[in-house]
Amino acid sequence: GQQVMQIPQYQHVQEGEDFTTYCNSSTTLSNIQWYKQRPGGHPVFLIQLVKSGEVKKQKRLTFQFGEAKKNSSLHITATQTTDVGTYFCAVYGGATNKLIFGTGTLLAVQP
Amino acid sequence: DAGITQSPRHKVTETGTPVTLRCHQTENHRYMYWYRQDPGHGLRLIHYSYGVKDTDKGEVSDGYSVSRSKTEDFLLTLESATSSQTSVYFCATSGSSGTTRIGDTQYFGPGTRLTVL
Repeated sequence: GQQVMQIPQYQHVQEGEDFTTYCNSSTTLSNIQWYKQRPGGHPVFLIQLVKSGEVKKQKRLTFQFGEAKKNSSLHITATQTTDVGTYFCAVYGGATNKLIFGTGTLLAVQP
Repeated sequence: DAGITQSPRHKVTETGTPVTLRCHQTENHRYMYWYRQDPGHGLRLIHYSYGVKDTDKGEVSDGYSVSRSKTEDFLLTLESATSSQTSVYFCATSGSSGTTRIGDTQYFGPGTRLTVL
């Protein structure tokens, strides 16, 4: 079935440093979603990418969808302590409404 | 956040006992999902529902059953809880009323922390 690999599993940065997490698939994706989960919280939708090569920005967050629609990345510029949490990519498995999540990247930010 | 509540929020139970977790939504969303979250595994789909009385299995459905008798409620039952089912369980919903568009955003409830001793 559909699988997505997400790297790294964990990243620790100093506040102000940049951060990037990557999501990779062996198959072409129709779209990809990104979610953020704060410690002790629940996943919250951030964005959906649909088009090949698409780039979307939300303040300090930049999301990219690869040209081949097999990979995606989330980049955070100048991290802040409020960025702490786990970032998940997620893709829909085939012609169903089943969402398959990557294993997530836990971001720790040291003040 | 969408109006999704889960009950109970915390539960401790013993091996072999039945457990039912409830998810309630006020958004009239068509799709509802149950996930479990464990360290190193991310979110794994247990079961999902695509309408009243319409359910299907996810990737980790063994030992779990679900029921959906009303649009707003989705129940997850562990018939005989085991220690391997200790986890955090999240309910999620998607789909504006009646739509079936692939790629809908999922909205998550606050989660239930279940411990099986």
